Amino acid sequence: DTAVSQTPKYLVTQMGNDKSIKCEQNLGHDTMYWYKQDSKKFLKIMFSYNNKELIINETVPNRFSPKSPDKAHLNLHINSLELGDSAVYFCASSQAAPLNTEAFFGQGTRLTVV
Amino acid sequence: GENVEQHPSTLSVQEGDSAVIKCTYSDSASNYFPWYKQELGKRPQLIIDIRSNVGEKKDQRIAVTLNKTAKHFSLHITETQPEDSAVYFCAASTGGGNKLTFGTGTQLKVEL
Repeated sequence: DTAVSQTPKYLVTQMGNDKSIKCEQNLGHDTMYWYKQDSKKFLKIMFSYNNKELIINETVPNRFSPKSPDKAHLNLHINSLELGDSAVYFCASSQAAPLNTEAFFGQGTRLTVV
Repeated sequence: GENVEQHPSTLSVQEGDSAVIKCTYSDSASNYFPWYKQELGKRPQLIIDIRSNVGEKKDQRIAVTLNKTAKHFSLHITETQPEDSAVYFCAASTGGGNKLTFGTGTQLKVEL
């Protein structure tokens, strides 16, 4: 009965390929996020969606395109993958309004670009 | 935008000792401050949080303090155990906001 689930858990691909990561939450939260965790463990926000609408885009390259078909899903598509895209990508969700609550994270997707 | 600094980056303590991790934030509008624990290969999980209308909160061996004037907040772990070994992240967010900004993380190692 996973609260935030993302797939796949591991993704190994060649430079230049296009790949997608899917995320779903069953908590009824209104806000979903994508975070990137690099090799130094920094957790950096990439995107934030509130009720299917993009709220935050933290200067992420255009090759990254999030899509939220409904408020329970937030997928991440990456075009023309580069070596520097290798990282762990975490999806998360929370109830941001009226008061912030705990953000629940998915298991992470370890992306390796070779 | 919000900037969260966290210190130290690594912390080694003996089992049974206390551990303290400190964070500062820049946006005075931030009013929600969670702490996350991330074990190796796992997802970050909330261990305690505090809102700006409270100065201190405690949950068994874990406590968090907040100084809004100085824009500091700290995590205190008492009677540390080996299972406390992990990376700990502080974070800050504004009310009704959609952005949780994380600190750079502290690798805590509890030695026997």
